[in-house]
Amino acid sequence: EVQLLESGGGLVQPGGSLRLSCAASGFTFSSYAMSWVRQAPGKGLEWVSGINSGGSTYYADSVKGRFTISRDNSKNTLYLQMNTLRAEDTALFYCARNLRRLDYWGQGTLVTVSS
Amino acid sequence: DIVMTQTPLSLSVTPGQPASISCKSSQSLLHSDGKTYLYWYLQKPGQSPQLLIFEVSNRFSGVPDRFSGSGSGTDFTLKISRVEAEDVGVYYCMQSIQLPRLTFGGGTKVEIK
Repeated sequence: EVQLLESGGGLVQPGGSLRLSCAASGFTFSSYAMSWVRQAPGKGLEWVSGINSGGSTYYADSVKGRFTISRDNSKNTLYLQMNTLRAEDTALFYCARNLRRLDYWGQGTLVTVSS
Repeated sequence: DIVMTQTPLSLSVTPGQPASISCKSSQSLLHSDGKTYLYWYLQKPGQSPQLLIFEVSNRFSGVPDRFSGSGSGTDFTLKISRVEAEDVGVYYCMQSIQLPRLTFGGGTKVEIK
């Protein structure tokens, strides 16, 4: 069974940093691209970042230069390093398998940016 | 970026009755590889999104056959033949032709009368 478990969310002040993790199981993690998608409170879904199996990375314009996606295939874990956080980054962050067909999603981790 | 527009914003349906959601894209989602990269997701209350339909009309594993997708180019439709109580939530369409810049529709909230 494919499982994705996000962690690392929390309350952070504007300008601060946070690192999210997504622990994957039930599939060969190293063979799959992975994505991060976020959902602001009461809002819709927004793609944030993706990484393919070879390590190439992609970002939405809204986070480019501030967020860094990475993966550790030895730990079956996806990461999202978030720097210079803004109030508008407040959201539930989901990791999902694949870049094109997001077929499995985690339950999400909540990031709140507030002073 | 490709803009995805869903209608209606919300839908109230009597159990056992059909429901239909429209999704229009600002550009064709037909790729040169012959596939059309349009997906449908359902986000049930308090849950993460779950994939229902991939590439316009293919039901994902475990999705009941009362769900069907159709369309081509820029116009797509999700139909539920007979709505059940467990179908409540927000439905999203998503395009992934313009990798890696995925975009989602604004969502359609389905409620039971």
